[in-house]
Amino acid sequence: ELKVEQNPLFLSMQEGKNYTIYCNYSTTSDRLYWYRQDPGKSLESLFVLLSNGAVKQEGRLMASLDTKARLSTLHITAAVHDLSATYFCAVVFQGAQKLVFGQGTRLTINP
Amino acid sequence: DVKVTQSSRYLVKRTGEKVFLECVQDMDHENMFWYRQDPGLGLRLIYFSYDVKMKEKGDIPEGYSVSREKKERFSLILESASTNQTSMYLCASSLLDGLDYGYTFGSGTRLTVV
Repeated sequence: ELKVEQNPLFLSMQEGKNYTIYCNYSTTSDRLYWYRQDPGKSLESLFVLLSNGAVKQEGRLMASLDTKARLSTLHITAAVHDLSATYFCAVVFQGAQKLVFGQGTRLTINP
Repeated sequence: DVKVTQSSRYLVKRTGEKVFLECVQDMDHENMFWYRQDPGLGLRLIYFSYDVKMKEKGDIPEGYSVSREKKERFSLILESASTNQTSMYLCASSLLDGLDYGYTFGSGTRLTVV
């Protein structure tokens, strides 16, 4: 079964702290995406990770991929309120052209 | 920038009605997708299409059909709407090989079936 699991599903943190969201997937993947969704809005692409050991950074967000462990992480450094949103990881499994999504992590950053 | 446009942001329909959700993209993408989004379940794929007049079932196709008569337009059809189809519906498109470009999503249609 093609499955993508995120944890935690809910995360409340204070500004200035660091935290990590985890994304596990069930079988070999061609590529992995991270998306952000603000309330009532559509999904905004953050990162695409294509190979083992890939690391991408944008501002306070850094994403990495370990294909052997079938794990991606999204690390938040010194969180600010503007990063409050729901974050999704999504996987394209080998041989497929469709995205399979995790459940999403709702991140709330408190002043 | 690729634009994916969904015709309605909000829709309210009655049980048993036939409902059409329209999606148009302007960058000549081969792939188009329909997802529904429900709290705690993430996004689930309903149908997708690789090309004009081609369609493939996703993970939850029951109660839905699709139409792709032109490359830029992908329609989702609820033949007889039911209350359990109340949801947010998201359309997306991508190049045939979306390796570096990812998937672009529309702004979503929130459908309520009463």
